[in-house]
Amino acid sequence: AQKVTQAQTEISVVEKEDVTLDCVYETRDTTYYLFWYKQPPSGELVFLIRRNSFDEQNEISGRYSWNFQKSTSSFNFTITASQVVDSAVYFCALREYGNKLVFGAGTILRVKS
Amino acid sequence: DGGITQSPKYLFRKEGQNVTLSCEQNLNHDAMYWYRQDPGQGLRLIYYSQIVNDFQKGDIAEGYSVSREKKESFPLTVTSAQKNPTAFYLCASSIPSDSIGIQYFGAGTRLSVL
Repeated sequence: AQKVTQAQTEISVVEKEDVTLDCVYETRDTTYYLFWYKQPPSGELVFLIRRNSFDEQNEISGRYSWNFQKSTSSFNFTITASQVVDSAVYFCALREYGNKLVFGAGTILRVKS
Repeated sequence: DGGITQSPKYLFRKEGQNVTLSCEQNLNHDAMYWYRQDPGQGLRLIYYSQIVNDFQKGDIAEGYSVSREKKESFPLTVTSAQKNPTAFYLCASSIPSDSIGIQYFGAGTRLSVL
């Protein structure tokens, strides 16, 4: 069965620190898609990134970067120079056949000024 | 602006009562989804619909019902059979034929039991 594990329940950092959110997944599919979503206090999930299983290149978008490693079944997310506005719950998700998403339990990130 | 609208934002249910959560989208997406979010458990799929007049059970469908009579609407009814309905409910939509598979979410409805 598909499974996504986010072992870090909650992380607290001070503004300007770098922080990495871990995501480990399990799947038997050879083709799959991984996602990261951000859930701010308002509640709505905001799409951040999608990665397919054939593309292992790391990606950087501003202060955000993602490290995808098939060998360890991990898709980790790093925020560089964190800001208070980064405080949110972050979810990693795996797409199943039929376009359903399997979510991890989420990591609460608290950035203190 | 295109998006997904969920209403109401807060909802209270009395014991034995059925309540309906609304989800409307103007993104012209064929697929719609309902998720339940409990603290520390992430999101779990309740029901999903890939096309009008068709829907499938997700992982935790017991005690819930849905309908999909229009492309833009996918209401969720929490029935009296759902013994623990207190949770945050999120609706999402996507283009099922799109290989990207990005789901877009509404702002959610928080349901509590009186």
